[in-house]
Order: sequence, then C-alpha cells, then structure tokens
Amino acid sequence: DTEVTQTPKHLVMGMTNKKSLKCEQHMGHRAMYWYKQKAKKPPELMFVYSYEKLSINESVPSRFSPECPNSSLLNLHLHALQPEDSALYLCASSQKSELLAGFLDTQYFGPGTRLTVL
Amino acid sequence: AQKVTQAQTEISVVEKEDVTLDCVYETRDTTYYLFWYKQPPSGELVFLIRRNSFDEQNEISGRYSWNFQKSTSSFNFTITASQVVDSAVYFCALSPLPGTYKYIFGTGTRLKVLA
Repeated sequence: DTEVTQTPKHLVMGMTNKKSLKCEQHMGHRAMYWYKQKAKKPPELMFVYSYEKLSINESVPSRFSPECPNSSLLNLHLHALQPEDSALYLCASSQKSELLAGFLDTQYFGPGTRLTVL
Repeated sequence: AQKVTQAQTEISVVEKEDVTLDCVYETRDTTYYLFWYKQPPSGELVFLIRRNSFDEQNEISGRYSWNFQKSTSSFNFTITASQVVDSAVYFCALSPLPGTYKYIFGTGTRLKVLA
C-alpha cells in the first residue's frame, strides 16, 4: 500500500486566519516532506522530517510552521498567509536507510491540498 | 550543476497514437536515480518508475516503456497506444545518491490525448 492521504482537499482562508494541513502515511516511512506547487510549475521542497525531527527547512517563511507529532503524521500550520501563498501543497514520504544513513529514493506523494488565500 | 530538462512543454496526440516524452539530465555524480511521475488533473504525483545510474536496461510496463541512455544523458518515456486517461503532466526527476532527500524536477510535459 503506497498511500499518502492529505486533508483537506481544498482550503480557502483569509490572511488573518490560522489553519492546518494534515498528512498521513502508514507505510512505515520515516522521512516525510512538504512541497509547494504553483500552477504549471514543478513541486518545490519546503520541509523534510526525518524520524520526526525537522532536518531540512528550505528557507520557508515563518508563517508556515511544520509539525510531526508521530511517525505517521505530518502537519503544516498556516498563519497570516499572503495571496501569493495560494498553491497546491503536497505531502510525500519515503523510507530512511540505516545502511546509507540517509534517505532512500522513491518519494510517494499524497493528492495535495489546494489552498486559496484571499 | 544538476539539472533536468523537459523541452516539450505540451504535446497533443490522438488516442491510440504512440508518444515519447523527452528528459535530458545533467549531473557530475556517477551514482544517481532518475524518476518519472505522472500528475493528473486531480493533483497527486503518481510514481511511475525509478532507474539507477548503473542500470541502463530499458524497461517496459504495459503500454509504458522507458529508454535510459547514459551516453546522451537521456531518460525518455514512451506511451504506446495512448488513451485519454494518459492525459496528465509528466515530470522527470533526478536524485543524487547516497542518502539525499532532494529531487531535481524538470519543468514537466503536459500530455493531452484527444478522443
């Protein structure tokens, strides 16, 4: 089962709102990712979690706050977003290799949350 | 520098035609992975194939086939007898090894299969 789920599918929020995106996987993967994808562009990496710890932050503004409460769950908390933050937010997961002391290759993506900031 | 080029921005074909999506990559690493993902209008990136740099064998999976040529740094994807359900954006991606988290995506090719 290579399924990553994301909720909600769609989200509309005002610039003063606080909302959260949720991602879940039950594949036993220990690496989880948040990506942002604008229309007609490839996904851009935002954050990487490894064993529930934040290991990579690709210089993302602090109005995006990730959280990994356990090995299956990844949240993205949103606060004071701007209209230009409107995009598809994708979650992904992959295995982590003890042997390589690094990430294993294939990332499996969820269906995404389409976010509109008014 | 590492880079993936998908020169075809958009391709339209009629159902049952064969179509090839091109992917050219640049890397100085000797060990790396290449991927193809499909993104239908629903948004999810669907994993199609992974190929490591030491395995130049071509692969066929149903109507899909992949041609990996290190000599030309290309990893092309062919759909035989295309169907309307193949309409999507297809991304080629490069991931250096070992142990890296990062994908370098191409800009994607939008395929439209017309009935």
